[in-house]
Amino acid sequence: NAGVMQNPRHLVRRRGQEARLRCSPMKGHSHVYWYRQLPEEGLKFMVYLQKENIIDESGMPKERFSAEFPKEGPSILRIQQVVRGDSAAYFCASSEQGLNEKLFFGSGTQLSVL
Amino acid sequence: SQQGEEDPQALSIQEGENATMNCSYKTSINNLQWYRQNSGRGLVHLILIRSNEREKHSGRLRVTLDTSKKSSSLLITASRAADTASYFCATDAGGFKTIFGAGTRLFVKA
Repeated sequence: NAGVMQNPRHLVRRRGQEARLRCSPMKGHSHVYWYRQLPEEGLKFMVYLQKENIIDESGMPKERFSAEFPKEGPSILRIQQVVRGDSAAYFCASSEQGLNEKLFFGSGTQLSVL
Repeated sequence: SQQGEEDPQALSIQEGENATMNCSYKTSINNLQWYRQNSGRGLVHLILIRSNEREKHSGRLRVTLDTSKKSSSLLITASRAADTASYFCATDAGGFKTIFGAGTRLFVKA
């Protein structure tokens, strides 16, 4: 029973390029959350999605960032025209019922912008 | 602003000692959770305590919740070197999303 799968594990981009981060939730989970973490800091909420719907994107920057969770396939966090300040670890978590219950986390994607 | 804030920021103890971490939050909650993160890895859920509960145990973990003071504590008894990690509290803040604090970095010396 695979857990939350994130890929790639490490992603290097040059300034101005696009970054695509993928997250496959646990089997049977239809709620996905994206968080961002800087070194030695806690996780900052970005967006909460259910299948085909964005429920809460209050933590997402208004520009350059977007997220989706299509009916088929993984959830995608997309960052356009990356800047050095986007360098961070991005974690995806999933839950079965989405009622602020137990979250299952992936191992994260470490994004480095050169 | 963060909903949960842990105290202390860092804690260093000897193996066998108890470790206590505290968490304060700002708004009403339905539940509070504690998670653990090993360096470079994702978070792992440890325990959830609901707003109508005052104490909960799981193995060597003991969590308390005081809603009047908007605070929680995590006690790890008889700590081991393998307990070295960062520990985060997380709350629902009455909404759909789970908000994490900045964490306590625990180092257990063998």
